Amino acid sequence: KNEVEQSPQNLTAQEGEFITINCSYSVGISALHWLQQHPGGGIVSLFMLSSGKKKHGRLIATINIQEKHSSLHITASHPRDSAVYICAVSMFGGTSYGKLTFGQGTILTVHP
Amino acid sequence: NAGVMQNPRHLVRRRGQEARLRCSPMKGHSHVYWYRQLPEEGLKFMVYLQKENIIDESGMPKERFSAEFPKEGPSILRIQQVVRGDSAAYFCASSVDRVATQYFGPGTRLTVL
Repeated sequence: KNEVEQSPQNLTAQEGEFITINCSYSVGISALHWLQQHPGGGIVSLFMLSSGKKKHGRLIATINIQEKHSSLHITASHPRDSAVYICAVSMFGGTSYGKLTFGQGTILTVHP
Repeated sequence: NAGVMQNPRHLVRRRGQEARLRCSPMKGHSHVYWYRQLPEEGLKFMVYLQKENIIDESGMPKERFSAEFPKEGPSILRIQQVVRGDSAAYFCASSVDRVATQYFGPGTRLTVL
């Protein structure tokens, strides 16, 4: 079993829909990261959080440390949001702080 | 402030050749991480370096792979005697300290013929 699991693996939506991507992890973490990767492109860090909730524009990330679960929400989705969304965690202890462990990614396609 | 820079963006090598991938971190960042993304697979940690030191290389294959981050100049990921299975996208990230947000470079796509 992977230490970081994302669901769904694939997600298709119509423009304007509210989108939720989930991430569960099985280890103690120092922080959880949400990343965005466009096809053939680089990786952008969207959020880093260790508790509560963060918001940036139409994106919202939440984390529940007790349940070892995080969600990424996109409000009023747009075709330009189409990308792979990746959850990653950094763990406690020594050199583990810097090293990210990744989920398998969620492929999001938003149709006009 | 320029972002993380990687070069080359695309690299083609024949089996048995050496590949050198370069990463220049963001200004002020002394922590560098290398990750590999194999075709149709997720990202995997390879190595974490801080100026002149390897902090964690637990994700590096035991043979043919090495990494450095000298006092001056970019971080280098070196793959000797490349094989087809080394074909992948290699991403570098940097941060100001070990618990800060990591900023990713555009990646180097290595193709081994």
